[in-house]
Amino acid sequence: GDSVTQMEGPVTLSEEAFLTINCTYTATGYPSLFWYVQYPGEGLQLLLKATKADDKGSNKGFEATYRKETTSFHLEKGSVQVSDSAVYFCALTSGAGSYQLTFGKGTKLSVIP
Amino acid sequence: EAQVTQNPRYLITVTGKKLTVTCSQNMNHEYMSWYRQDPGLGLRQIYYSMNVEVTDKGDVPEGYKVSRKEKRNFPLILESPSPNQTSLYFCASSRIRWQEVHGYTFGSGTRLTVV
Repeated sequence: GDSVTQMEGPVTLSEEAFLTINCTYTATGYPSLFWYVQYPGEGLQLLLKATKADDKGSNKGFEATYRKETTSFHLEKGSVQVSDSAVYFCALTSGAGSYQLTFGKGTKLSVIP
Repeated sequence: EAQVTQNPRYLITVTGKKLTVTCSQNMNHEYMSWYRQDPGLGLRQIYYSMNVEVTDKGDVPEGYKVSRKEKRNFPLILESPSPNQTSLYFCASSRIRWQEVHGYTFGSGTRLTVV
């Protein structure tokens, strides 16, 4: 079945540091890939998505590129802020009429001033 | 404002006492789903619905029921709650369009404790 593997957290960075959160996936067909963010005490929000190979999703300074050859969708940000502290989830839908989202276990990011 | 509304936000109940967590969306989305979030396990799908009167099991459906009598509402029913159902629950919805991919909109969550 489909699966998503994210780097284990927690990740602690200083403000303005570079962020990478690794995500790899296993899926049949041609999945669509997502990053969701969960701020403390809130539900998940869609951060960015990519629907085909080599697509780059971007939002709020975050980027991720859909790499079919390495089955990866790593999240990056050039300069993190304290307000980016949250839990980040990588997810996929396998396509072909499936709308079920399969999530990774999440990576908690803490940014310190 | 487009949103998914869950109620209640927090609930403490006793083993065996039936409860319902409500979920409502105002975006006319066809697809609705329930997830539970547990430490170290991430989010796991309980049930989903593709449209009115169409529901199906997700990965962890045991001990739960759902119904979809109206497009906007998708309640989660625990007929006889047990302590292992203590968790954080999220409702989500999405559009369904052929060959289009839409992300989910999530509710704010319901923290359930069963004692």
